[in-house]
Amino acid sequence: KAGVTQTPRYLIKTRGQQVTLSCSPISGHRSVSWYQQTPGQGLQFLFEYFSETQRNKGNFPGRFSGRQFSNSRSEMNVSTLELGDSALYLCASSLASGRGSYNEQFFGPGTRLTVL
Amino acid sequence: AQRVTQPEKLLSVFKGAPVELKCNYSYSGSPELFWYVQYSRQRLQLLLRHISRESIKGFTADLNKGETSFHLKKPFAQEEDSAMYYCALQGAQKLVFGQGTRLTINP
Repeated sequence: KAGVTQTPRYLIKTRGQQVTLSCSPISGHRSVSWYQQTPGQGLQFLFEYFSETQRNKGNFPGRFSGRQFSNSRSEMNVSTLELGDSALYLCASSLASGRGSYNEQFFGPGTRLTVL
Repeated sequence: AQRVTQPEKLLSVFKGAPVELKCNYSYSGSPELFWYVQYSRQRLQLLLRHISRESIKGFTADLNKGETSFHLKKPFAQEEDSAMYYCALQGAQKLVFGQGTRLTINP
C-alpha cells in the first residue's frame, strides 16, 4: 500500500506570494490533517479534513486555508506569505476523524517551504 | 485546553544505559496519549500508544493520571534509538504534539 505523498517536496517563494501544497492520503483513508513544523514551535496542528469537511482547526490566521476533494486528496493554501511561514508542512492521513476515537495518523514526507 | 510538555529538548545517553524521555500533559478529559518517533531522513511514525500497553523496540510508556505524565522508557539504549521523539495527546478535537526531544545514543 502506497504511503502518504506530498507535492512538491521543496518550494521557494517570496513574501506576499501565495502557495498551494498537495497531499494524497493512503488509499481508503478519509481524514487528512496538516501540521506546520518549525525548529522554534515544533509541530503545530493546522486543520483536519474529513469527507471534504473541515472538522478541526488550529490557531493559525485566516491566510492558511485548505480543502479536501471527493477522492480524499487535500490541498493547503497559504496566501500573502510571510517570512515566518518558512517551515516543513506535514500532512497525515488516517482512516477516520480523530474525534473521540483513536486513529493512527500516517505522515507524509513533508513539503519544505522557504519564504524569501 | 490541550497541552503537552516535553521538558528536555536534548537528551544524550551511552549505549546500554537506561533511557527516560519525559512527557507531561494537560487535558481536562480522558486523554489518549502517543509517542511518535522520527529517525534521520525518515517520516514521523507512531511508536506506541498508551491504550495498547505494549512494548515496541524495547520502549514502554505508562500513563500516570495522577502526575499527568506519560514518560517513555527503555532499560538498555541502542545506537539505533537515536531520533527525535514526540509525545502527543489526542483530545476531542485534535492531536497535539509536544516540542520533541532529540535523543542521541553515544557508542
